[in-house]
Amino acid sequence: ETGVTQSPTHLIKTRGQQVTLRCSSQSGHNTVSWYQQALGQGPQFIFQYYREEENGRGNFPPRFSGLQFPNYSSELNVNALELDDSALYLCASSLASGETQYFGPGTRLLVL
Amino acid sequence: GIQVEQSPPDLILQEGANSTLRCNFSDSVNNLQWFHQNPWGQLINLFYIPSGTKQNGRLSATTVATERYSLLYISSSQTTDSGVYFCAVRNTGRRALTFGSGTRLQVQP
Repeated sequence: ETGVTQSPTHLIKTRGQQVTLRCSSQSGHNTVSWYQQALGQGPQFIFQYYREEENGRGNFPPRFSGLQFPNYSSELNVNALELDDSALYLCASSLASGETQYFGPGTRLLVL
Repeated sequence: GIQVEQSPPDLILQEGANSTLRCNFSDSVNNLQWFHQNPWGQLINLFYIPSGTKQNGRLSATTVATERYSLLYISSSQTTDSGVYFCAVRNTGRRALTFGSGTRLQVQP
């Protein structure tokens, strides 16, 4: 059974640029959630996708957007990057919305 | 939204010691998970425990849902137990896990 994978592992961007992060869910999981973890803090919920539809959103601006594909993999897009977007971005998959979430290794984004 | 408080924020142990980490939450939950975040950032599932008691090797956890707290016990700690331990909860009707601020554990040889 393949676990949750994310790419890239690290990324450096400059303020104002756009970034796309990718996540492959664990085999058989149809729900993907994205979290942002700033240094020294717990992860914060960005949004969740269930069967290709957004299924809940946290307190993040519209420049954070996402997609889920028919194979249940997912993308997180961030436009107009700001310095405060520097963080570890974590993807989690689950069998359904309320079930145990399994996390990927994360993508470390640095915005200069 | 639901509030999650973890204590202590920092803990230093000698190898072989036992410890108890606590998670308090402000509302009823239908999902509670304990995670260990290693130095590379990977969140490793320890327990899914919205209520009751579970054990896995040297680790065990208890959630008393009616009193809105959960405890994680680590026995005979090892240096590889070092890292940050997070409690995360979800209450009915919500999609997100809400995380506490974590307990940073350092086990010294």
